[in-house]
Amino acid sequence: GNSVTQMEGPVTLSEEAFLTINCTYTATGYPSLFWYVQYPGEGLQLLLKATKADDKGSNKGFEATYRKETTSFHLEKGSVQVSDSAVYFCALSPNYGGSQGNLIFGKGTKLSVKP
Amino acid sequence: DSGVTQTPKHLITATGQRVTLRCSPRSGDLSVYWYQQSLDQGLQFLIQYYNGEERAKGNILERFSAQQFPDLHSELNLSSLELGDSALYFCASSVESERDTQYFGPGTRLTVL
Repeated sequence: GNSVTQMEGPVTLSEEAFLTINCTYTATGYPSLFWYVQYPGEGLQLLLKATKADDKGSNKGFEATYRKETTSFHLEKGSVQVSDSAVYFCALSPNYGGSQGNLIFGKGTKLSVKP
Repeated sequence: DSGVTQTPKHLITATGQRVTLRCSPRSGDLSVYWYQQSLDQGLQFLIQYYNGEERAKGNILERFSAQQFPDLHSELNLSSLELGDSALYFCASSVESERDTQYFGPGTRLTVL
């Protein structure tokens, strides 16, 4: 079946440090891949997405590349800020039939950035 | 602000009771999705509606049901509540042409005592 595995948190970094959050997936066919972010007390917001192999999604300094050969979609940011503190979710959407749009999420990784 | 609204924000009730959660999608979005976020299960897809019709079911219990009304708002009904149903329930919406780009509401936190 379809599943997403992402690195366990919490992750604590100092401001301006480099961030990597690992995400791997198992899926039938060619899913779309996403990173969502959840700030404290809020709903999820789409951070970035990629719909096919080798696509790079990017937004607000974050980026992730769809790697089919390693079934991965790792999130990176070169210099984190305190305002990036949140929970980050990797997700996939199957691209077949009625399952399209039924997002399958990883467990989430909590990021805390210290000044 | 995603444009998706959910009410109520918090709900506290007792085991065995029934509650209704409400969601209004973004203007123009015909698809509505419900998700449950709990500590042990994480974020799970429950059910999807498109223009009033059920389109897909995920890990939704038989005690739970949903519907989407002609004005496109949706309700999730949870009955015979158990302690384990305590969770955050999110609604999301999307346009048909981009079903995998979903906009989430702020959620309803359900506490079953």
